[in-house]
Amino acid sequence: DTAVSQTPKYLVTQMGNDKSIKCEQNLGHDTMYWYKQDSKKFLKIMFSYNNKELIINETVPNRFSPKSPDKAHLNLHINSLELGDSAVYFCASSKTSGGAITGELFFGEGSRLTVL
Amino acid sequence: GDSVTQMEGPVTLSEEAFLTINCTYTATGYPSLFWYVQYPGEGLQLLLKATKADDKGSNKGFEATYRKETTSFHLEKGSVQVSDSAVYFCALYSSASKIIFGSGTRLSIRP
Repeated sequence: DTAVSQTPKYLVTQMGNDKSIKCEQNLGHDTMYWYKQDSKKFLKIMFSYNNKELIINETVPNRFSPKSPDKAHLNLHINSLELGDSAVYFCASSKTSGGAITGELFFGEGSRLTVL
Repeated sequence: GDSVTQMEGPVTLSEEAFLTINCTYTATGYPSLFWYVQYPGEGLQLLLKATKADDKGSNKGFEATYRKETTSFHLEKGSVQVSDSAVYFCALYSSASKIIFGSGTRLSIRP
């Protein structure tokens, strides 16, 4: 029973297209994240939601739009895809303790996006 | 701002060798510190953590000690195995509610 699941695992598409990646966690966590990992394995936070509320919004092009319909789901929609968007996108969720984020992240397996 | 610096890889060792991967941090206050591991084709998973100065985190034979005086959290293992081949990330949780990762260190173990 996968704790954090992302779909699709692989996505190959043309420049200019719009695509979405979905994420679901069954851990009961309140906070979810999107990270981007480039080809050199560098991991950069993009967004974070806590109980459906956006709490972290890093410097990301506005072509990227997250959406959290409930605290167990966090989706990422990307408009007008560019070559530089090619990367692995990771969804994660985190535990809280007494209402505070603990920093312990649980990651999905990643969604590899290739833009041609 | 807060940051994490870890040694660049790749690091290649023979099986049963001693491993050290250096990690230093810059942060205001007292962050929690973590090591995550990423096996090929998988997401990151928490390896160990320490939440205050002088704490030692340990798991699967790996250890790291939170050293406030040197702002370091070096990862060590006494005898590595081929199955330890992966990318290792040092991370901190800062007061700005951000979890900041180092650039990752690729470890390869030769049989």
